[in-house]
Amino acid sequence: DGGITQSPKYLFRKEGQNVTLSCEQNLNHDAMYWYRQDPGQGLRLIYYSQIVNDFQKGDIAEGYSVSREKKESFPLTVTSAQKNPTAFYLCASSTLPGQGKGNEQFFGPGTRLTVL
Amino acid sequence: GENVEQHPSTLSVQEGDSAVIKCTYSDSASNYFPWYKQELGKGPQLIIDIRSNVGEKKDQRIAVTLNKTAKHFSLHITETQPEDSAVYFCAASNEKSSASKIIFGSGTRLSIRP
Repeated sequence: DGGITQSPKYLFRKEGQNVTLSCEQNLNHDAMYWYRQDPGQGLRLIYYSQIVNDFQKGDIAEGYSVSREKKESFPLTVTSAQKNPTAFYLCASSTLPGQGKGNEQFFGPGTRLTVL
Repeated sequence: GENVEQHPSTLSVQEGDSAVIKCTYSDSASNYFPWYKQELGKGPQLIIDIRSNVGEKKDQRIAVTLNKTAKHFSLHITETQPEDSAVYFCAASNEKSSASKIIFGSGTRLSIRP
C-alpha cells in the first residue's frame, strides 16, 4: 500500500521544548515538503527537499529545522525558537519538478501540534 | 514570485445546486493547475488538474476551466452533495522548471445545505 504517513496525529508540547514530527513515504518520490496550516488559512511552505542530504528554506522556515538522511524520510523539528508553533502540519511528496511529469503533491494525514 | 488568489473564502450552496470557485495567478510561466480537496482533520487530496494546453477538463460532476490570457482558472461542481462539503485549494506551478514550487490559494470552505 503506497502512501505517505505522518506521526503522531496529535502532539502536545510544553513551551521551551523542541519536538520532532515524522514523515515517511514509500512512493519513491525524490521531493518532499513541509507545510504549516493555521485555522481558516492556506498552506505555507516551511522547508522542502529534492534530494537526500539537501533541503531548502520555504517561506516560513524560522524556528524550524529538517533533515533528509534517507529518501523515504523527512522529519521536521519545531524548535523553541518558533514563537507560535500551534498549528496543523502537513508533509507532502512528489516527483521532481521540471521533469514534465506533473507536480502533483501527495499529502500525509497531518500532525496537529498544540503548545501548552 | 508567483501569487495565487482564490475566491470566495466561504461558499454555501443548496444541495443539488452548482458551486464555482475562482482563482487567478500572476506568473505567465505557470502551466499546471491542480485542485485539492481537504476534509476536516485530513490532508488535501488532488481531485482534478488541468494543464495549459487545454481550456477545460471534466470528471463526472467536477470540471475545471482555464483562461490563459486572463490568467484565471475555475472549479465547477455540479449537482452538489453533502460529501462535497470541504475546503478546496487551487494551486499553480511551472512543470518545466526544476526550481518551481506549487503555490496554493488561500482555500474556499464549501458547505452544502441539505
